[in-house]
Amino acid sequence: SQTIHQWPATLVQPVGSPLSLECTVEGTSNPNLYWYRQAAGRGLQLLFYSVGIGQISSEVPQNLSASRPQDRQFILSSKKLLLSDSGFYLCAWSRLAGLANTGELFFGEGSRLTVL
Amino acid sequence: GDSVTQMEGPVTLSEEAFLTINCTYTATGYPSLFWYVQYPGEGLQLLLKATKADDKGSNKGFEATYRKETTSFHLEKGSVQVSDSAVYFCALSSSYSSASKIIFGSGTRLSIRP
Repeated sequence: SQTIHQWPATLVQPVGSPLSLECTVEGTSNPNLYWYRQAAGRGLQLLFYSVGIGQISSEVPQNLSASRPQDRQFILSSKKLLLSDSGFYLCAWSRLAGLANTGELFFGEGSRLTVL
Repeated sequence: GDSVTQMEGPVTLSEEAFLTINCTYTATGYPSLFWYVQYPGEGLQLLLKATKADDKGSNKGFEATYRKETTSFHLEKGSVQVSDSAVYFCALSSSYSSASKIIFGSGTRLSIRP
């Protein structure tokens, strides 16, 4: 069966420090991978998505970046965190049916980032 | 760009009441449409989906019909239960290709009184 894990679950970082959130998917090959940020009252904001190794699409210009060094690994990074980067970050993968994206997302447990 | 707009919450109803949560979308082409649910203390999970116009998605007593003419995908349930209390998200997949992105609305918090 497929599983998705992201870590760390909770992170408290000072302004200006770097960030690395990791997400790993097991039990499926070549999944589409996504990073979302969930803010209270603002729903889920799509940050990045990837259809393959090294292929990253950015949805919102900001202080963050993403990388996909392996098929089942998706990393969210920042060189210098801002206060506004605080939030709940969710990694997800979507099931493909052949070449079609079913659109069904499976989410990780989430990482809560507090920038002080 | 593509977007999803859903009714603001919170929505509070009594048990056995009829539920409608409105969702409209803007998209080029022919998106697929989804409702996701987030129960208290749990992660998001798919509730139902529809992939083409006039399709009806259904699950757990909830239904939504893909209306291309009104660009809507309203969520309905005839008789809600306390266990339906959750946050509901409308979403679209910009196309059915493998490279599609999935965009969510802002979410609607539903509370059901016993």
